[in-house]
Amino acid sequence: QKEVEQDPGPLSVPEGAIVSLNCTYSNSAFQYFMWYRQYSRKGPELLMYTYSSGNKEDGRFTAQVDKSSKYISLFIRDSQPSDSATYLCAMSLADGLTFGKGTHLIIQP
Amino acid sequence: DTGVSQNPRHKITKRGQNVTFRCDPISEHNRLYWYRQTLGQGPEFLTYFQNEAQLEKSRLLSDRFSAERPKGSFSTLEIQRTEQGDSAMYLCASSSGISTDISYNSPLHFGNGTRLTVT
Repeated sequence: QKEVEQDPGPLSVPEGAIVSLNCTYSNSAFQYFMWYRQYSRKGPELLMYTYSSGNKEDGRFTAQVDKSSKYISLFIRDSQPSDSATYLCAMSLADGLTFGKGTHLIIQP
Repeated sequence: DTGVSQNPRHKITKRGQNVTFRCDPISEHNRLYWYRQTLGQGPEFLTYFQNEAQLEKSRLLSDRFSAERPKGSFSTLEIQRTEQGDSAMYLCASSSGISTDISYNSPLHFGNGTRLTVT
């Protein structure tokens, strides 16, 4: 079992829909949780960063962490075609970040 | 542009050749990281520096790989005797850290990577 599990998709939704992206993890020692967005041929871009259970909101994005279930989510409201990208969850431990495989998201106009 | 800068953007080389990549981090960041990403996978940690000291190395970093950060600013990653399996995107990231405990971390900011193709 990999330390971080993330469904690679693709996930295709119509413009304006609410998107839910999820990761599960096995190592309860992870302390910091991040979501990155990666466009084709570009580096990952930080979207959200949190270190506690609960919700954190930034504009159209909400990150949710449930440490008891070892489960994190990213919600995107009012999705736009420009949100089409790969979304990577990442978690911080002693040897740097551990990433999920990424979910390829497609927003249909 | 004050982001993380990586050069070259793309490198094509023949098997057995040596290659070197450069990373210029965000100027006020004291931590610098190298990651490798293959198609359909998330980035995998290779190594990290705090200032000029290399503090962590992944088991993925074979002895053909060497990284330096001589003055605590830019870093280079060299791959000797390249193999086709080395073909990947090599990503550099930087962050500011106030502790040697890497798990206590400000978020990483990535460059756009160097794409290596070994033929």
